[in-house]
Amino acid sequence: AQKITQTQPGMFVQEKEAVTLDCTYDTSDPSYGLFWYKQPSSGEMIFLIYQGSYDQQNATEGRYSLNFQKARKSANLVISASQLGDSAMYFCAMREGGGGGFKTIFGAGTRLFVKA
Amino acid sequence: GAGVSQTPSNKVTEKGKYVELRCDPISGHTALYWYRQSLGQGPEFLIYFQGTGAADDSGLPNDRFFAVRPEGSVSTLKIQRTERGDSAVYLCASSYNRAAGELFFGEGSRLTVL
Repeated sequence: AQKITQTQPGMFVQEKEAVTLDCTYDTSDPSYGLFWYKQPSSGEMIFLIYQGSYDQQNATEGRYSLNFQKARKSANLVISASQLGDSAMYFCAMREGGGGGFKTIFGAGTRLFVKA
Repeated sequence: GAGVSQTPSNKVTEKGKYVELRCDPISGHTALYWYRQSLGQGPEFLIYFQGTGAADDSGLPNDRFFAVRPEGSVSTLKIQRTERGDSAVYLCASSYNRAAGELFFGEGSRLTVL
């Protein structure tokens, strides 16, 4: 069965510094996708970044990068140069591909607080 | 509209009543998902549609919950005999039917069962 674990309920970071949000996953499917979403206090879910299980390089999107360590089954999100607007809940998610359908499950989330 | 639309945005009902929540996905998105999110928690998977059929309904908590998507577009989540524990934000999302496709979420329907 799929499982996503985010072990950091809350994280603090100083403005302009980098922060890493942890995510580990468990799946028996060799084909899967990993996602990170941001949920500000307003409630909308915002897609940040995607990593496919067969991708050789770590995904990057602006200030976001995904530290993908396949053997360790981890997919940590790195946010560089934190901004006050980065304060939000962050969710790691996984989708199995191919024959497993495209069911996507989410972790419990990490609340990030950016300090001025 | 351009995004995923959910109605109602807020619903207050009494225990034991029947509730319907509607989701209008992005045009062209064949996959549609329902999630339930409690305060401070991650979205909990309920059901996933591929076209008109429920491809995976393993997350529906019990037989009081049912969802349909009769024409492969709009979906309705139906909750019978509501209980106070059903109170949550119900999120709908849609996507293209491919592994790399991110989910596009609606703003959610907040259900409060008194």
